[in-house]
Amino acid sequence: QVQLVESGGGVVQPGRSLRLSCAASGFTFSSYGMHWVRQAPGKGLEWVAVISYDGSNKYYADSVKGRFTISRDNSKNTLYLQMNSLRAEDTAVYYCAKGSLGTGGPGEWGQGTLVTVSS
Amino acid sequence: DIVMTQTPLSSPVTLGQPASISCRSSQSLVHSDGNTYLSWLQQRPGQPPRLLIYKISNRFSGVPDRFSGSGAGTDFTLKISRVEAEDVGVYYCMQATQLPFTFGPGTKVDIK
Repeated sequence: QVQLVESGGGVVQPGRSLRLSCAASGFTFSSYGMHWVRQAPGKGLEWVAVISYDGSNKYYADSVKGRFTISRDNSKNTLYLQMNSLRAEDTAVYYCAKGSLGTGGPGEWGQGTLVTVSS
Repeated sequence: DIVMTQTPLSSPVTLGQPASISCRSSQSLVHSDGNTYLSWLQQRPGQPPRLLIYKISNRFSGVPDRFSGSGAGTDFTLKISRVEAEDVGVYYCMQATQLPFTFGPGTKVDIK
């Protein structure tokens, strides 16, 4: 079965950087696009970024464009989110999710990792 | 960006009774490939989101048949035929027709 395990969250000061990872198993990772979606405490869902199966195409929400970078290592079955110039409003649980041409968007989701941006 | 709205934002329901949630998009969700990429997700308390319905009316793997989706264009509906205790949570519609993907604000379903 599909398993997605996020890691790398924690408390970080404004302006600093953090890298999130998402270890994937139970499917052929290199065949699927992957997403990051976040959820601020007590709030709704916000799509962050998507990367194509081979890493050649990447798209970002305007709120993170120029600060966040999505990437993947298909040899390690791992998805990444490099977050630079972090702001208080980036505080959220970050979920990775498996894409699917069939569903058109995120299908299976991980459990999430909490990022807190605070001085 | 496509704006997604949902009504109601809160829905107290009686166990065993039906429930319905509406979702509206600010523009048509019909993709150039002819598909309409409208999904419904469920988020139980303390859990990650879970995909229930994709492309308006297709149930995702393992989703009970008491969940159904309908609609077209800009207006969509999620129905639960008979609410069970495990259905408590927040329900989101999401469009994946146009980047950036966007979600509705969520509808909280709880038991009366």
